[in-house]
Amino acid sequence: KQEVTQIPAALSVPEGENLVLNCSFTDSAIYNLQWFRQDPGKGLTSLLLIQSSQREQTSGRLNASLDKSSGRSTLYIAASQPGDSATYLCAVRTSSNTGKLIFGQGTTLQVKP
Amino acid sequence: ETGVTQSPTHLIKTRGQQVTLRCSSQSGHNTVSWYQQALGQGPQFIFQYYREEENGRGNFPPRFSGLQFPNYSSELNVNALELDDSALYLCASSKPGLEQETQYFGPGTRLLVL
Repeated sequence: KQEVTQIPAALSVPEGENLVLNCSFTDSAIYNLQWFRQDPGKGLTSLLLIQSSQREQTSGRLNASLDKSSGRSTLYIAASQPGDSATYLCAVRTSSNTGKLIFGQGTTLQVKP
Repeated sequence: ETGVTQSPTHLIKTRGQQVTLRCSSQSGHNTVSWYQQALGQGPQFIFQYYREEENGRGNFPPRFSGLQFPNYSSELNVNALELDDSALYLCASSKPGLEQETQYFGPGTRLLVL
C-alpha cells in the first residue's frame, strides 16, 4: 500500500530564505508526482508535475526533484516571500489507468516579513 | 483560477440527511475525481469518473456515490450523513494527454454535519 509522508508538518522562516520541503513515498512504482499549494480554506493549485521518467521540474522560484529509487521528492523554494505562506502538498499517482492521487498530510509554511 | 467550479461553497446538514455536491469541469476535460479533505489532513480519493463511467474508487462506503453527465459536469451524493463526513470536498478535472495530465482542482465545498 502506497503511503506518502511529508516532514516537517510546519515550518516558519524569515523572508528571503531558501528552503526545502520533503516528501517521501513507500512504493517506488509511481506514474508521476505532483506538488500543490493550498491556501487556508481553499482548493489546491498545481505547482509542478514530475513524470516518473524525469528527475526534476522548475517553475520560477520553484524546483522539484524526484528520486524514485529512494522514494523521495523535494520542493525547493528560492528567496521565499510572505506570499509563499500556504500549505504545500505532494501527491503520488500510482497508475496510468486511474488518476487517483495519494496525498501527504502537507507542510504548512509561514514566511515572516 | 483553474476553471473548475463547485457548488455550493458551504453547506450545513444534520446527521442522517442526504447531500448533493456539484462540480463543473474545466472545458474539454473528460475526467473528474472527487476527494474528501478532513481538517489538517491531506485529501483522500473518493472516486473518479471517465466519460460517465466510474473508473476507480477509494476506501469509501457505498453511501458515497457519484454521477458524471454528458457535458462532463459531475455530482457527489452522500446518503445517511455522519458527523465524520464533515470535511472539505474537492473535485478535480483532467484530460489524459493534455499538459501531462495535471489535475485541476476546484475551490471545494465545505460540509458541516451536525
